[in-house]
Amino acid sequence: RKEVEQDPGPFNVPEGATVAFNCTYSNSASQSFFWYRQDCRKEPKLLMSVYSSGNEDGRFTAQLNRASQYISLLIRDSKLSDSATYLCVVSLNTDKLIFGTGTRLQVFP
Amino acid sequence: GAGVSQSPSNKVTEKGKDVELRCDPISGHTALYWYRQSLGQGLEFLIYFQGNSAPDKSGLPSDRFSAERTGGSVSTLTIQRTQQEDSAVYLCASSSDYVTQYFGPGTRLTVL
Repeated sequence: RKEVEQDPGPFNVPEGATVAFNCTYSNSASQSFFWYRQDCRKEPKLLMSVYSSGNEDGRFTAQLNRASQYISLLIRDSKLSDSATYLCVVSLNTDKLIFGTGTRLQVFP
Repeated sequence: GAGVSQSPSNKVTEKGKDVELRCDPISGHTALYWYRQSLGQGLEFLIYFQGNSAPDKSGLPSDRFSAERTGGSVSTLTIQRTQQEDSAVYLCASSSDYVTQYFGPGTRLTVL
């Protein structure tokens, strides 16, 4: 079983739609959680950290469920520029990151 | 300011040759990481340098892979006797707080 699992997609949604991605992780000792974004043929960039209480950054909301070992990312009012691959990332001790294979999002006009 | 830089951006080599990939981290970042990403795959951790501590080499796939970090700054990833399965994008990242990792643009390695 992979340490971090994601649905690879692609998720094809129209502009303005709300879309949610899920991710599960296998190690219950994981301490830190993140969503990174990777554009085609570019390097990953941190989108947001995920906190136990859930957190929001503009149109993006991240949730963590430690009991189910499950992380989610919700994007509201999708923009064309949101088209990218979204990487779920966990860490045991905040240094070595373990990346999921990513979920591809394509927003169309 | 300047971000993480990597060179070369592309490298094509023949099977069996050695290659060196370079990473210049963001100035002042004490943590440096190497990953590789194969087509359609996630990022695979290779090695991690933290300050003056011994590096975490647990992700290196074989003894053909090695890395150094000189003077706590520039790092070189060396792959000896390259194989076709080594073809991938090799990404370097640096961090100052062990939370946010800043990635370089990567080196695309093709082994013929």
